[in-house]
Amino acid sequence: DAGVTQSPTHLIKTRGQQVTLRCSPKSGHDTVSWYQQALGQGPQFIFQYYEEEERQRGNFPDRFSGHQFPNYSSELNVNALLLGDSALYLCASRYPLDSGGSDTQYFGPGTRLTVL
Amino acid sequence: AQRVTQPEKLLSVFKGAPVELKCNYSYSGSPELFWYVQYSRQRLQLLLRHISRESIKGFTADLNKGETSFHLKKPFAQEEDSAMYYCALTPLVDSSYKLIFGSGTRLLVRP
Repeated sequence: DAGVTQSPTHLIKTRGQQVTLRCSPKSGHDTVSWYQQALGQGPQFIFQYYEEEERQRGNFPDRFSGHQFPNYSSELNVNALLLGDSALYLCASRYPLDSGGSDTQYFGPGTRLTVL
Repeated sequence: AQRVTQPEKLLSVFKGAPVELKCNYSYSGSPELFWYVQYSRQRLQLLLRHISRESIKGFTADLNKGETSFHLKKPFAQEEDSAMYYCALTPLVDSSYKLIFGSGTRLLVRP
């Protein structure tokens, strides 16, 4: 099991463009969360997907949206990119709460987004 | 408001010296507290959590509800402990188990 995987590794966009980041959860995990980590800061919760629906959302504008597919993989979309969106975007997954599995969240390596 | 504060951006110690990474939190309910670690060129990973009350790689952390602190300690630092350490909390009022992170402390253990 490769654990949580994310693509692409790096991405460069210009202001106003749109971007899609992808995440495949660890095997057996069904819940995916997205975090934004700006330089010198800790990760900040964007939103979480469970059963293909957004379950909870952090303090991020509607320009940030997501999707979860039936195979539990997920996408993060950001529209109308701003310079301030430049950050490392992390995906984390965990087991179903009622599965008896650990509720520990496992993180992917991240996608480094640079907005010029 | 839910907040995690790590007052030190950088902590530099010599090998064999004791280490204490400070973490204070602000949360009105009962949170679950974690320490996550990120070694160079590796992904963020869980180091320990307060409910398990275990020692991982010689590190321990005690939840002090009176002082709202969850400091990470190790009696004798090793060079391989050099990494970025993040304190985080999960509010237990919802089932999302979202993590609220501090800004992190870089631990540098010098030979």
